[in-house]
Amino acid sequence: GQNIDQPTEMTATEGAIVQINCTYQTSGFNGLFWYQQHAGEAPTFLSYNVLDGLEEKGRFSSFLSRSKGYSYLLLKELQMKDSASYLCASYSGNTPLVFGKGTRLSVIA
Amino acid sequence: GAVVSQHPSWVICKSGTSVKIECRSLDFQATTMFWYRQFPKQSLMLMATSNEGSKATYEQGVEKDKFLINHASLTLSTLTVTSAHPEDSSFYICSARVQTGSYNSPLHFGNGTRLTVT
Repeated sequence: GQNIDQPTEMTATEGAIVQINCTYQTSGFNGLFWYQQHAGEAPTFLSYNVLDGLEEKGRFSSFLSRSKGYSYLLLKELQMKDSASYLCASYSGNTPLVFGKGTRLSVIA
Repeated sequence: GAVVSQHPSWVICKSGTSVKIECRSLDFQATTMFWYRQFPKQSLMLMATSNEGSKATYEQGVEKDKFLINHASLTLSTLTVTSAHPEDSSFYICSARVQTGSYNSPLHFGNGTRLTVT
C-alpha cells in the first residue's frame, strides 16, 4: 500500500520563501511528483524527483530523500498567484500516481 | 506539447440520466489513461485505469457498471456516469502519460469536468 502525508494548510507572506513537506510510505517506490492545483482547476505538473537531492526550476525547487521517505517543495519569492493547493504524489512500479491530500497555501500581502 | 483535452468542462443533469465525458490526448498517443474524481477540499482519488483496446481496471469501491469506460483509440477515452445521482456530483479529471519508455514521465491532466446532478 501507499501512504502520503502533507500539511493541510500553510500561510506565507508575499516575497518570502515557503517549504511544503511531504512524507510517504510506499512499496517499490520509483519517484515523487509535485503538482499545483488552483481552486476549480486541474493539477499542473511542477517537478519530479527519483534520485536523492535537490531539483531546481526557477522559483520552485523540490528535494527528495529516499532513505527517509521525505520530500519538500520550496517556493521562493512568493507571489499572490502562488496561492493554490500543492499535491505530493508518489509513483511505485507501473501503478498510477497516488496523491496526498494536498497543502493549501495562502500567500498574503 | 502533451496536451490533454477534456469535454465538457461542466455539466448539470437530472438524477437518473447518464452523462458522457470525453478525454483526448491531442499531440501524443496514450495507450493508458487515468480517471480521477475529486470532491471539494479532498485529494484526487483514482477511479479507474483506461486501457486502449481492453477492459478498464477499476479501483476498489468503484462500480464498473455505473462508471462505464471506453478506450476505443489511442487518443480517446470516455467515462459515462450512468443513472447519475446527486452523490455523483464531483470534479472528474482525466490524465495520460506520454509513452516515453521510461516510468518517470509526468501525468498530464485534462481541465476537468464539474458534474452537478440535481
